[in-house]
Amino acid sequence: ETGVTQTPRHLVMGMTNKKSLKCEQHLGHNAMYWYKQSAKKPLELMFVYSLEERVENNSVPSRFSPECPNSSHLFLHLHTLQPEDSALYLCASSQDPQPGNEKLFFGSGTQLSVL
Amino acid sequence: GENVEQHPSTLSVQEGDSAVIKCTYSDSASNYFPWYKQELGKRPQLIIDIRSNVGEKKDQRIAVTLNKTAKHFSLHITETQPEDSAVYFCAASMNTGNQFYFGTGTSLTVIP
Repeated sequence: ETGVTQTPRHLVMGMTNKKSLKCEQHLGHNAMYWYKQSAKKPLELMFVYSLEERVENNSVPSRFSPECPNSSHLFLHLHTLQPEDSALYLCASSQDPQPGNEKLFFGSGTQLSVL
Repeated sequence: GENVEQHPSTLSVQEGDSAVIKCTYSDSASNYFPWYKQELGKRPQLIIDIRSNVGEKKDQRIAVTLNKTAKHFSLHITETQPEDSAVYFCAASMNTGNQFYFGTGTSLTVIP
């Protein structure tokens, strides 16, 4: 598949588990993002990486830990989550954050359920 | 920070009719306004966008208008078809492009 690929598509975990979400982009982009999508709420930006450096961290709880080993891969490490963290987690990429290149390309998301 | 409001939250139209979704934003520094379509179980996809130096942009049956003075922008879909049924999100962004502020989404249903 071309574009932005996320795995797994679905994840069920207990509050004491540790799991990781993976995102890979095949577009040659330099910026990658994690968004949280909950019902009836706007898409919430969690983290932004530009050229593998984190540039935004919107007061996300420390139980979410991002990792960007290179410009094509992005991970979200999860530990001791709460039931309210259940949501669709979307990865996105853009060519770079400069005007004209900031269009977001989304992955299909990981539907996370925390029991 | 920026606050984007989107209305209506749900919209049903008959096939062939037009649909209009409206968004307002609070920060006059926002200058890029994309619209995303998310079909059930699928990823959001960009369908059209507009920059603050343009008042209107059209792409076939889809158009977006921007009123900078009033700080609102709208998505217009003409001659709607069942495949237009989806959730539509508006967003606003400033120069850096790192931070997109999204609306809460509009669930559009086109009735055949």
